[in-house]
Amino acid sequence: GAGVSQSPRYKVAKRGQDVALRCDPISGHVSLFWYQQALGQGPEFLTYFQNEAQLDKSGLPSDRFFAERPEGSVSTLKIQRTQQEDSAVYLCASSLEIAGDTQYFGPGTRLTVL
Amino acid sequence: AQSVTQLDSQVPVFEEAPVELRCNYSSSVSVYLFWYVQYPNQGLQLLLKYLSGSTLVESINGFEAEFNKSQTSFHLRKPSVHISDTAEYFCAVSYKAAGNKLTFGGGTRVLVKP
Repeated sequence: GAGVSQSPRYKVAKRGQDVALRCDPISGHVSLFWYQQALGQGPEFLTYFQNEAQLDKSGLPSDRFFAERPEGSVSTLKIQRTQQEDSAVYLCASSLEIAGDTQYFGPGTRLTVL
Repeated sequence: AQSVTQLDSQVPVFEEAPVELRCNYSSSVSVYLFWYVQYPNQGLQLLLKYLSGSTLVESINGFEAEFNKSQTSFHLRKPSVHISDTAEYFCAVSYKAAGNKLTFGGGTRVLVKP
C-alpha cells in the first residue's frame, strides 16, 4: 500500500515568509509525528497527534511553529515568519498506535530559508 | 531530558568485514529501542526494534542488536557487510512513560568499500 507522503519535497522561502508543509499518513494510522532534521544531525521531535488531538507539542521550537490535523488524517505544519535557523528537513511519520509501534516515515520536506 | 549517543559519526569498512555501530541511551527506565536506516536519497526505514523479551533482535538482512539494560546500550552489528549496506544508521529510543515519540542519536554514516 501507499506509504507516508509529504509535499512539497523542496521549499525555498525568503526570510520572513510563511510556509505550510503537508503530510499524508498511511491510511488508518492513528498516530502522526513531526520531526525536524538539521543537516548532519538526527531527527528531533516536534509534535504528536493521536487522531485530531495534538497530545504533545513540547518539541516545537517557538510560537512561530504550528501544526494541525483537523480531521485526524492529513496534517499541516506551518511556520510563520521563517528564519534561517528553520532551514532543515521536516519529517512526518505515522503509526497504528502508541506503545512501541513502528513509525513509518515520509521522504521529508527540505526547507531552505534564504 | 532523554538522550541517545552514537559514538561514531562515520565508519568506513571493507566489504565482507564485520561492523559494529555503538548506541547508548541516557536512562534505564522502561524503553523501546530502534535502529533506523537511511539509504542514499531515501527516507528513514525501520531496521529492527526491541520491545521486550529476548535481548537479541535480528533484521531480515543480517543485522542484529543486543539490548543491554545494565550498560544502557543497544549496539548494532553485522558479521559481513555488503556494498548495499552503505547508508546512515540512526539509533532511537522511546520511553513508555512519554508516549511513542522517538529520541534519535546523531547517526552513524557507514561507507562500505570494495
